[in-house]
Amino acid sequence: DPKIIQKPKYLVAVTGSEKILICEQYLGHNAMYWYRQSAKKPLEFMFSYSYQKLMDNQTASSRFQPQSSKKNHLDLQITALKPDDSATYFCASSQGDSGNTLYFGEGSRLIVV
Amino acid sequence: QQQVRQSPQSLTVWEGGTTVLTCSYEDSTFNYFPWYQQFPGEGPALLISILSVSDKKEDGRFTTFFNKREKKLSLHIIDSQPGDSATYFCAASAYSNYQLIWGSGTKLIIKP
Repeated sequence: DPKIIQKPKYLVAVTGSEKILICEQYLGHNAMYWYRQSAKKPLEFMFSYSYQKLMDNQTASSRFQPQSSKKNHLDLQITALKPDDSATYFCASSQGDSGNTLYFGEGSRLIVV
Repeated sequence: QQQVRQSPQSLTVWEGGTTVLTCSYEDSTFNYFPWYQQFPGEGPALLISILSVSDKKEDGRFTTFFNKREKKLSLHIIDSQPGDSATYFCAASAYSNYQLIWGSGTKLIIKP
């Protein structure tokens, strides 16, 4: 059974629309992350949260907003979608926030048309 | 500068051969170096990791070597199998800092 659940697995969105990517982890971890993977950047760190608090934000655009309603949830809201946002978005978690193993979900593949 | 350079970008090896992937880094504070393996349609998964206090770590057919003086690390896969076909990422961090710096990945194909 997958321990990190990402929804949806695939989605197609229209330019200018808004989407929310869902992530839930059942590993009991206290740190969660979002990464983006595309042909341009193989694996790009976006955000990290620890105990539901933002620890690091490497995403330049405010169109990307993480939302943590529970300790084991970290959703990603993307507004004003652009074709360049097309990528696979991976949620990950770790036990601590210091050099520990990252566990990744299966990803949400977003295509913006 | 915080960068991790990985090579080659892609590699094809015959089944049974030895695969060698390499990475180099610049930040001398890095002391934790994991390798992640990613199959198509899946997220990356930790394969093997090494701390800077060691120069070699082995796990079955997979061995990672670390050269602190040259700031290089490598991943060796002996008796490579078609099931090893995947993209491999090296990464680095200072153990006190959680953020991993990732290499650009190597797409490995093992031909039967």
